[in-house]
Amino acid sequence: DAGITQSPRHKVTETGTPVTLRCHQTENHRYMYWYRQDPGHGLRLIHYSYGVKDTDKGEVSDGYSVSRSKTEDFLLTLESATSSQTSVYFCAIKGTSGSAYNEQFFGPGTRLTVL
Amino acid sequence: GDSVTQMEGPVTLSEEAFLTINCTYTATGYPSLFWYVQYPGEGLQLLLKATKADDKGSNKGFEATYRKETTSFHLEKGSVQVSDSAVYFCALKEGFGNEKLTFGTGTRLTIIP
Repeated sequence: DAGITQSPRHKVTETGTPVTLRCHQTENHRYMYWYRQDPGHGLRLIHYSYGVKDTDKGEVSDGYSVSRSKTEDFLLTLESATSSQTSVYFCAIKGTSGSAYNEQFFGPGTRLTVL
Repeated sequence: GDSVTQMEGPVTLSEEAFLTINCTYTATGYPSLFWYVQYPGEGLQLLLKATKADDKGSNKGFEATYRKETTSFHLEKGSVQVSDSAVYFCALKEGFGNEKLTFGTGTRLTIIP
């Protein structure tokens, strides 16, 4: 257990509304990631963070922004949700020591539906 | 760019059958290779990994060997159980400084008693 929680676990919203998903970790990991999972695509990286206030884009970053004001929280924001952003969103952290070095560990996911 | 191709599912097997899920990859460098498993309603869990050519990753009776000559990392298990029913993802990660995990599309495995 890498101590990762995501909230909310399920959300239904309407097109055009802002949505923020939260990832919280308890083990002081430096690297955190947001992925989306869609049928036929596996998981795709949206954004990642390598420290407080340090973030970078992944392969599907359009329409998403992130923030990391403290080590334990990584927020993903959809400024104006669209139906194409209906997906399951996973947060991950990177292990930093021992056998877990450089491995990514995933949270339980947030299922987002945009109507 | 990097890519991972894994066999289409779903795959349905009887308990105690032999399992192979094929995975091939395209990468510019010398990536690390991973198999993740996702049980219903849960996040992904790392099943096994290999970091260089000819390495064999193993865990819970599953094995996969990093074959550079065929750019493959096929997942095998000699005798599957009902509890192995899940979605399996092959993934790769390029070397130091690259934070992106590239995933295959996943293979859903169902084991029937």
